[in-house]
Amino acid sequence: QLQLQESGPGLVKPSETLSLTCTVSGGSITSDTYYWGWIRQPPGKGLEWIGNMSYSGSTYYNPSLKSRITISADTSKNQFSLKLSSVTAADTAVYYCARGLYGRPPGSWGQGTLVTVSS
Amino acid sequence: EILLTQSPATLSLSPGERATLSCGATQSVSSNYLAWYQQKPGLAPRLLIYDTSIRATGIPDRFTGSGSGTDFTLTISRLEPEDFAVYFCHLYAGSLTFGPGTTVDIK
Repeated sequence: QLQLQESGPGLVKPSETLSLTCTVSGGSITSDTYYWGWIRQPPGKGLEWIGNMSYSGSTYYNPSLKSRITISADTSKNQFSLKLSSVTAADTAVYYCARGLYGRPPGSWGQGTLVTVSS
Repeated sequence: EILLTQSPATLSLSPGERATLSCGATQSVSSNYLAWYQQKPGLAPRLLIYDTSIRATGIPDRFTGSGSGTDFTLTISRLEPEDFAVYFCHLYAGSLTFGPGTTVDIK
């Protein structure tokens, strides 16, 4: 059974870089059948697609965040990660990692982790 | 960039009633890559419907998706107590956007 688990600091200072890791169990991130993505949700608000990657190296980044995002994989640990630079309070959100089959929306999600940007 | 709207923002109904949720796109969604998610407080979204009308694995048949072009609908035929939640539509092609959500709460 596939499981995804987000981890990382719950508090980040403004202007610093937010770094999160998604650890995958019950499935391999080296499968090219799937993409691996990050989605966020500010408290009490809607969902925003951040970006996604495939093992083959292709990535998609939300154009509104593109200049600040890096999504990468560590196959030795079966993990993928998100880095979001120059954060502000507007980046405070629950961050979810997720997996989807190509051509389909993400069907498997982590439980989410709240990241607060504050000094 | 295609944007999604949802109506109504809140739907107040009783268990056993029928719920009709709407999702509108600012441009025609030619690929029908339209999905619906259910989200309960403190939990991740749960995929209900993809490709406009295909139920995801394990989703009961009281959930039905329909529509085409710019207008899409999620219908819950008879609300069960566990169906009271927030529902998001999602375009998973192109701009990868989500609608703002419809809250279905107990009347």
